[in-house]
Amino acid sequence: EPEVTQTPSHQVTQMGQEVILRCVPISNHLYFYWYRQILGQKVEFLVSFYNNEISEKSEIFDDQFSVERPDGSNFTLKIRSTKLEDSAMYFCASSDWGKETQYFGPGTRLLVL
Amino acid sequence: AQSVTQLDSQVPVFEEAPVELRCNYSSSVSVYLFWYVQYPNQGLQLLLKYLSGSTLVKGINGFEAEFNKSQTSFHLRKPSVHISDTAEYFCAVTPYGGATNKLIFGTGTLLAVQP
Repeated sequence: EPEVTQTPSHQVTQMGQEVILRCVPISNHLYFYWYRQILGQKVEFLVSFYNNEISEKSEIFDDQFSVERPDGSNFTLKIRSTKLEDSAMYFCASSDWGKETQYFGPGTRLLVL
Repeated sequence: AQSVTQLDSQVPVFEEAPVELRCNYSSSVSVYLFWYVQYPNQGLQLLLKYLSGSTLVKGINGFEAEFNKSQTSFHLRKPSVHISDTAEYFCAVTPYGGATNKLIFGTGTLLAVQP
């Protein structure tokens, strides 16, 4: 069964450093998403991406964040200058043409020190 | 805008007992509804979904949920739980016909199954 994969599973970084989180969505999917879950809190939408551009972003997704689909398989989330409050689990998700159902990856746990 | 309320942050239950996890939502437009499960240290797995049709939907691992439009609820049920069902359960909605179908999640309910 096809699945969404994410790397790395864990990342520790220093405040102010740049991080790139990587995702490989399900191959025939067209819509891609990033969500985050701060420890003990609910899952929050960050951004959606379709046809090589952002289709919607939340107020969390400020200028420090960017997304890219550098090739036909990867989907990345970059945080330019990490803050302590960026520590969270980051989930990638994808959906197909019907786009109602999103399939999630296992997540990347980011810890900013 | 949409919001999801899961009033029970934790539900303790004994093995083989029935369980109901409650989910209520608020939306000015029609929505699709989902339940996701998160096992310890794992990602989100789709448990079941309501898109249209029969209001009683069946999912994986013996779970089912019933959509009640008048009460704006989508409660999750299982007639007999197992230890392995211990996990965090998230209810989520997305507006019907939305541009991106972003998911709006509830705060989650921890189902703690005890022997």
